Formats: sequence, structure tokens, C-alpha cells
Amino acid sequence: AQKITQTQPGMFVQEKEAVTLDCTYDTSDQSYGLFWYKQPSSGEMIFLIYQGSYDEQNATEGRYSLNFQKARKSANLVISASQLGDSAMYFCAMREPGYSSASKIIFGSGTRLSIRP
Amino acid sequence: DTGVSQDPRHKITKRGQNVTFRCDPISEHNRLYWYRQTLGQGPEFLTYFQNEAQLEKSRLLSDRFSAERPKGSFSTLEIQRTEQGDSAMYLCASSLGGGIPSGNTIYFGEGSWLTVV
Repeated sequence: AQKITQTQPGMFVQEKEAVTLDCTYDTSDQSYGLFWYKQPSSGEMIFLIYQGSYDEQNATEGRYSLNFQKARKSANLVISASQLGDSAMYFCAMREPGYSSASKIIFGSGTRLSIRP
Repeated sequence: DTGVSQDPRHKITKRGQNVTFRCDPISEHNRLYWYRQTLGQGPEFLTYFQNEAQLEKSRLLSDRFSAERPKGSFSTLEIQRTEQGDSAMYLCASSLGGGIPSGNTIYFGEGSWLTVV
């Protein structure tokens, strides 16, 4: 069965520094997608970035980039120039192909990121 | 606003009562998901619809839980005879779907908080 592991329950980072949030995954499929979501204290899940398993380039979206290492099954999120508003829970998630049981996404346990001024 | 909307946002109910949550997905999205999230945890998959067909239900979804999407648009999640362990945030999400892995983003609503007293 597929699984997502986030080993950092919490992180503190100084404002304007870069931060890397770790994510490893386990799947037997060759075709899958990886997501990162941000969840502030309000509860809303905000989509940040997506990486497909066949994408050769690492995904980037503004200050967010995904360090995708397929052989190691890792998909770390890198946030450059962190801001106070980046303080939130961050979830790594994976989606497998198909219409039925493989179409849901599963989430890791999350990392709470706190940005210090 | 054309995002995923959920109603009510907050619900406090007495143990044993029934509650119903509604989700309106993004209009052109054919896939709709329900997740449950407890404090400090990542969202857990409950069930998923492709149009009006409920394609998968998690083992977390006991007989007291039922979800419908009668016309392939909005969905309802009903919990009968609520228990204190049902206290959680119930998240709805939607996406475009296809038979191949895609980057079609899964968009979440702001969640419905349930407190059973």
C-alpha cells in the first residue's frame, strides 16, 4: 500500500531564510503524482505545488520548489526567502492513477513550520 | 467565489443526534472527495465520487456515515447517532478527473468543524 512519511513534526526558521520540508513516499506504481498543501490555522488546505512521476524537471511555483528524487522516493518542499505568513502546517500528499481506488490522495502527518521574525 | 464551499462551517451537536454537511464543488469538477481531519493529523480519506457514482469508501466510514451526490453536483455527508469520537473537521475537495495520472489539482474547501458534546 502507498504511504507518505514526513519525519519533521515541527520546524523553526528565521525569516528570510530558506527551508526544506522533508517527504518520502512508498508506492509500487510507476505513475503517480505528488502534492504539497499548506494549512494555516484557519483550516483551509491551500494547494502549493504538484510533481508528476514522469516530469523530468523539478516543479517550481514562485517561492516554492519541489526537490524530486525519484530513485530515493523523496519529494522535499523548498521554500525560499521565508516570510512570517509561511507559518502553517504543511502536508505532503500522493495520488495514484486510475478511476477507482487509486484516485484518492493520501496525506502525510504534516510538518508545523514556524517562522521567527 | 467559485471555489469549493462547505456548509455549515461549524456545528456543535449533542451525542446521538444526526448531522449533515453539504459540499458544493467547483462547477466543472467531476470528482468529489470527503476527508476527515483530527487535530495534529493529516486528512484521512473517507469517500470519493466520480460524477454521481460513489467509487470508494474507506473502512473509516462506518454504517453511521452516508454520503450522496445525487445529481453529480453537490454532495452531502450525513452522520447518524453522533459519537464524541466523530468530533473532527470534515473536508470536501474536488478535481477534474481522467483515466491517466494528471496534475489536475485537488482543491479543498475550508472544512466543516464538528464538535460532539
